[in-house]
Amino acid sequence: NAGVTQTPKFQVLKTGQSMTLQCAQDMNHEYMSWYRQDPGMGLRLIHYSVGAGITDQGEVPNGYNVSRSTTEDFPLRLLSAAPSQTSVYFCASSSTGNSGNTIYFGEGSWLTVV
Amino acid sequence: AQSVTQLGSHVSVSEGALVLLRCNYSSSVPPYLFWYVQYPNQGLQLLLKYTTGATLVKGINGFEAEFKKSETSFHLTKPSAHMSDAAEYFCAVTGGYQKVTFGTGTKLQVIP
Repeated sequence: NAGVTQTPKFQVLKTGQSMTLQCAQDMNHEYMSWYRQDPGMGLRLIHYSVGAGITDQGEVPNGYNVSRSTTEDFPLRLLSAAPSQTSVYFCASSSTGNSGNTIYFGEGSWLTVV
Repeated sequence: AQSVTQLGSHVSVSEGALVLLRCNYSSSVPPYLFWYVQYPNQGLQLLLKYTTGATLVKGINGFEAEFKKSETSFHLTKPSAHMSDAAEYFCAVTGGYQKVTFGTGTKLQVIP
């Protein structure tokens, strides 16, 4: 059981470039989300989805785009990378119906924008 | 609205000593509370969670936490620290539909 898989693990971008962070889960979870982790700030929610075709903004959505065409995949797109988007990104998933359900995280994607 | 406050961004304990990581929360509805652990260059994994029922929750690796509604706290403890416990620990709360709010994290250092 692979759980939540993120790619790439490391990426360096130039300012203004675009890229997509891939996320896939094999647990048939309805809920998927993207967080960014910055020193001293914990994890902040970027975007989330409660099912295929449904997405919504989190706490820090600006500069990011998402889509959810299948239950398994939830890619995060950086439209025009900025140095402020240098961060560690985590994809997560959980089943819905109970807010106490465990959230499962991917291994993280380290992004540097120069 | 909900929020989490973790007191102390860095905590150091000697090997074999008590571990106490503090977490206070606020929530406008009955909360679900979590502790996650993050080892270097890895994602977060669940240590334990409180949903309903018994307020003392036991998790993996000998950790436990007690939900105290009157104090709005969910502190994480372990009687005897081990070198392998060195990691960053995150407290989290959700009072609504899957919207989880994380604390800023506490890095635990274990001194041999």
